[in-house]
Amino acid sequence: GAVVSQHPSWVICKSGTSVKIECRSLDFQATTMFWYRQFPKQSLMLMATSNEGSKATYEQGVEKDKFLINHASLTLSTLTVTSAHPEDSSFYICSAGDSAYNEQFFGPGTRLTVL
Amino acid sequence: KNEVEQSPQNLTAQEGEFITINCSYSVGISALHWLQQHPGGGIVSLFMLSSGKKKHGRLIATINIQEKHSSLHITASHPRDSAVYICAVRGSGGSNYKLTFGKGTLLTVNP
Repeated sequence: GAVVSQHPSWVICKSGTSVKIECRSLDFQATTMFWYRQFPKQSLMLMATSNEGSKATYEQGVEKDKFLINHASLTLSTLTVTSAHPEDSSFYICSAGDSAYNEQFFGPGTRLTVL
Repeated sequence: KNEVEQSPQNLTAQEGEFITINCSYSVGISALHWLQQHPGGGIVSLFMLSSGKKKHGRLIATINIQEKHSSLHITASHPRDSAVYICAVRGSGGSNYKLTFGKGTLLTVNP
């Protein structure tokens, strides 16, 4: 299947700082990318849907000014957690939709720890 | 009631056993995914189904659209199969890839 990468795989930051997470589709063009958050022992929760060249659509309860999403190209989407706080510590996962195969491919995830 | 229900929540098996994980859903779907998540978090997409049955190695996935039910089978289970298995459904209509996830089944295969 197609490959989706995320960078970094883990990050530790101080409270109040901003953290950027990259999601790349390596061998296909992703018209749609999704950002999920997963807390320990819970299922994935969709945060936002990102379409290339347009504004992201955020799920209810997700602050768009705190979680900035940019999908500038068909192979790259970024999630920036602004003014991070300890409660933002979580596992962030992206996935990319491949319209050619009508499927969704997941990245390996980024573990964010905010001290 | 969740739109996607998985059973069992936890499953412990001995190496070599045949394993079945079930997924029921209550909405119309265009596709169903089975995902595997290992400790450490990375997710691997195992299958995407819209009808019938798919097989990959020791893994078999089936879906019954009329009964809104899917099963994931693992033959000759091995300790390396230990992971969380997640069922996710994609709604019908349009090109929206949005998925609804089950809570996952934690599988532990003992040697």
